[in-house]
Amino acid sequence: QKEVEQDPGPLSVPEGAIVSLNCTYSNSAFQYFMWYRQYSRKGPELLMYTYSSGNKEDGRFTAQVDKSSKYISLFIRDSQPSDSATYLCAMSTLNTGTASKLTFGTGTRLQVTL
Amino acid sequence: DAGVTQSPTHLIKTRGQQVTLRCSPKSGHDTVSWYQQALGQGPQFIFQYYEEEERQRGNFPDRFSGHQFPNYSSELNVNALLLGDSALYLCASSSTRDRDYSNQPQHFGDGTRLSIL
Repeated sequence: QKEVEQDPGPLSVPEGAIVSLNCTYSNSAFQYFMWYRQYSRKGPELLMYTYSSGNKEDGRFTAQVDKSSKYISLFIRDSQPSDSATYLCAMSTLNTGTASKLTFGTGTRLQVTL
Repeated sequence: DAGVTQSPTHLIKTRGQQVTLRCSPKSGHDTVSWYQQALGQGPQFIFQYYEEEERQRGNFPDRFSGHQFPNYSSELNVNALLLGDSALYLCASSSTRDRDYSNQPQHFGDGTRLSIL
C-alpha cells in the first residue's frame, strides 16, 4: 500500500465549476501538507501549504486537512481553463536540521472545459 | 528573484552511460533535494544536500550520487544508466535560515527530462 493515495483522474469539469481534489494517507507521522500544481513539461508549483487540521484559504483555493481521518482536500472555486493541470498532494514529517523529504501522491489530472 | 534553475532541460543517453544534472537553488536557499518523476507518477525523493553533505536519502541505488558546492548549487550523477532511469529529474530548494526551518516549503525547478535509449 502506498503511503499517499490520490485518484489519477482525469477529472473534466466545465468552466466555473467547483473542483474537489483529494488525498488519503496512512502515515500518522505526516505533519505538513502541500498542494502543488504542475503544468505539462514544467516543475511543480507550490499552491498551498498547511500544517494544522482545518481549512486554509487563498483566493479561489481552499486546502482542508483532517488528521483524524488522514484525509486532505483542495477545493478550487470558479474554475478556469488556466487551472487545467496536474495537481499533486505532498506530505512530510517533522525533521530536525533540514527540511523533511516530501512524499507525493500520483497526481490528479484536471481539465477545465469552456 | 531567480527561482530554481536546472540544466540541461533535456538529455538523451544510451544504456550504460553516465550523466550529470545541475541545479542552482532559489536565491537565499541553502538546501537542495532531488526527485525523480516517472511518467504519470508523483515525484520520488532521491536525496538531499545541505552544507555540502548528503543528509537524507530515499530508496535509490548507489548508482545515484550527488554533490553540493560552496555556493549551494548541486549536481546529480547517475552511473550505468538503465532504461528505467528515463524520467523527469527535479531539483527543489529550501532554506534553513528562517527561524522555523523545518516548516519551510520546497520550491521546484522545471526539471531535466532524461531519455535513455
